[in-house]
Order: sequence, then C-alpha cells, then structure tokens
Amino acid sequence: EADIYQTPRYLVIGTGKKITLECSQTMGHDKMYWYQQDPGMELHLIHYSYGVNSTEKGDLSSESTVSRIRTEHFPLTLESARPSHTSQYLCASSEIKGQGVKRAFFGQGTRLTVV
Amino acid sequence: AQTVTQSQPEMSVQEAETVTLSCTYDTSESNYYLFWYKQPPSRQMILVIRQEAYKQQNATENRFSVNFQKAAKSFSLKISDSQLGDTAMYFCAFTVTQGGSEKLVFGKGTKLTVNP
Repeated sequence: EADIYQTPRYLVIGTGKKITLECSQTMGHDKMYWYQQDPGMELHLIHYSYGVNSTEKGDLSSESTVSRIRTEHFPLTLESARPSHTSQYLCASSEIKGQGVKRAFFGQGTRLTVV
Repeated sequence: AQTVTQSQPEMSVQEAETVTLSCTYDTSESNYYLFWYKQPPSRQMILVIRQEAYKQQNATENRFSVNFQKAAKSFSLKISDSQLGDTAMYFCAFTVTQGGSEKLVFGKGTKLTVNP
C-alpha cells in the first residue's frame, strides 16, 4: 500500500561501527519521521523533518543524526553504534495539507542489533 | 502535556466475536486528527481508521469502527467479527501542535490476540 521503503530490514553490527539506515518515499511527502520502538512497546519520535534542509529532534533523545537533502530521502546515521542502540527504527512520511497530519505511512522498519 | 493512554496492554478475543480497545488522550487543541494503527507481528504499521475531531459522526471502515467522545477525550476502537488476521499490536495516536511543530503522538499500544 505505502510507497515508503527502509533498508536494511535487519542489521547486526559490532560496537563502534558507523551505520546509516535508509528511508525513501516516492509519494512526494514533505514530512518525514523517525521513530524508535522496542519490541512490543510504544513508538518514540526521535527525529522529524518538514522538508528539504529541515530537521528537528523528537521527544526521545537520540545519539543518531538525520539529514534531508532530497524530499524523498531521510537517512538516519549512528556514528558509533552501541548495544544500547539495539532497537527497531521506523520511518514514516505524511503530507502537509491544511490542519493536522492527514495520514502517516510507515516503512517496514529496520531491526538493529548491536553486539 | 499532550498524551495518549491505552489502558489495556493485552487483550484476547475469540474468532468472530467483537472486541473494543480503549484509548484516551489529552490535548488543549480544538481540532486534531485521531488514528488507530495496526502493527502485525514483524510487519508494517498500517492505518486502520481515522477520525477528524470536528466531525461528530463516528468513523467506520468495514469491521472497524470508533466511538469518539470528544468531551471525554475518548477514542475507542471496536472490531466486529474478529478474524485471526486481526492479531496485532494496535496503537492509538493523534496529532499535536507544539511550538509551531506538528507531530503524531502514540499510545503504548494494546496487543490483541484473536483465538481460533
């Protein structure tokens, strides 16, 4: 249904490595989000963007960084992965139309394990 | 604070029966959107149903309907004729505007199991 893609789906990586989680959407949406979710738990917003060159930190503090150079692309980077970064990362996008988020589309998520 | 509360961490229902998932929220906004999202095990989060706060009529989508009580800030989801494929985590969410920014806020989720 949704044209929003995340890669990789699963990633196991050693401590100290630099990683980038990719997120792309083909719907032309201005707003994009990154959520962090532990298994079976709630979603926590860690980053969001309203458009190109716009990035903001979310409610949950995260050591990750994001960039928005193109509308369709919103990658998340961890410079030095740690076991505490083990989690699922969900990317989402939505349109800006009038008042209120009309609908958010989610990617399939990246399950990150840092060993 | 703008929050969403789902008071039922887990629920179960027999196939073909009806189940209601609870959600309350807190906001000072007068107009906003409310959502129920479904996250099946190891699968993508998808939108189940959406309600605009200024509309009094409760939204329905096939077997899914909501009971929206704006004054009580309550937004429950009713699933009729439950199917095995309804087994999933269900998240209630709504849009908030803070400091000129607009975000989706999620509840902690309710894990629903449909038993055969």
